Amino acid sequence: ILNVEQSPQSLHVQEGDSTNFTCSFPSSNFYALHWYRWETAKSPEALFVMTLNGDEKKKGRISATLNTKEGYSYLYIKGSQPEDSATYLCAFRYNQGGKLIFGQGTELSVKP
Amino acid sequence: DAGVIQSPRHEVTEMGQEVTLRCKPISGHNSLFWYRQTMMRGLELLIYFNNNVPIDDSGMPEDRFSAKMPNASFSTLKIQPSEPRDSAVYFCASSLGRSSYNEQFFGPGTRLTVL
Repeated sequence: ILNVEQSPQSLHVQEGDSTNFTCSFPSSNFYALHWYRWETAKSPEALFVMTLNGDEKKKGRISATLNTKEGYSYLYIKGSQPEDSATYLCAFRYNQGGKLIFGQGTELSVKP
Repeated sequence: DAGVIQSPRHEVTEMGQEVTLRCKPISGHNSLFWYRQTMMRGLELLIYFNNNVPIDDSGMPEDRFSAKMPNASFSTLKIQPSEPRDSAVYFCASSLGRSSYNEQFFGPGTRLTVL
């Protein structure tokens, strides 16, 4: 059974705080890892697709790292803003044609 | 582009009724995915199509669920008969190609409530 786990389940921070959360996935048969941002009442929006061990991606204040050997990825948000409040989902793919297997998400709430 | 379009946005029905959810993928995308999101199980893939052909339907919960993609611009997910445990948000997503480098673009979802 392929299991993708995210932690923490929820996170409450103050505006300006930097934060990070984790996605754990099977370290064997890795093909790609996706990060999505999902605001309430909207649909998931793609942030990053990561494929190589040691990969680092950045989009504005959000960045992500990937360790395929140990099976984890970190998502960092620098200087959180209220508009960053959302659920952040990671999804693992084990082969090119395989389906995405989603984690349960980390729900981030940023208070002004 | 309007993005992935789903209809209806909300559906409330009684147990035993047939429910049909509709999806129009982004023009030019050749892969289409149906997901179900519940509190208990999170986001689960039900089925996906590539070039209108079902590739993996292992996530379809049972025979009451069926999905079709008669052409490149339209897909349906049907539940017959519906049950209260089918209540969830159903998302459709599309992507260009089957490569994992291609991001999936999600529709707004259909919130289904079965009474």
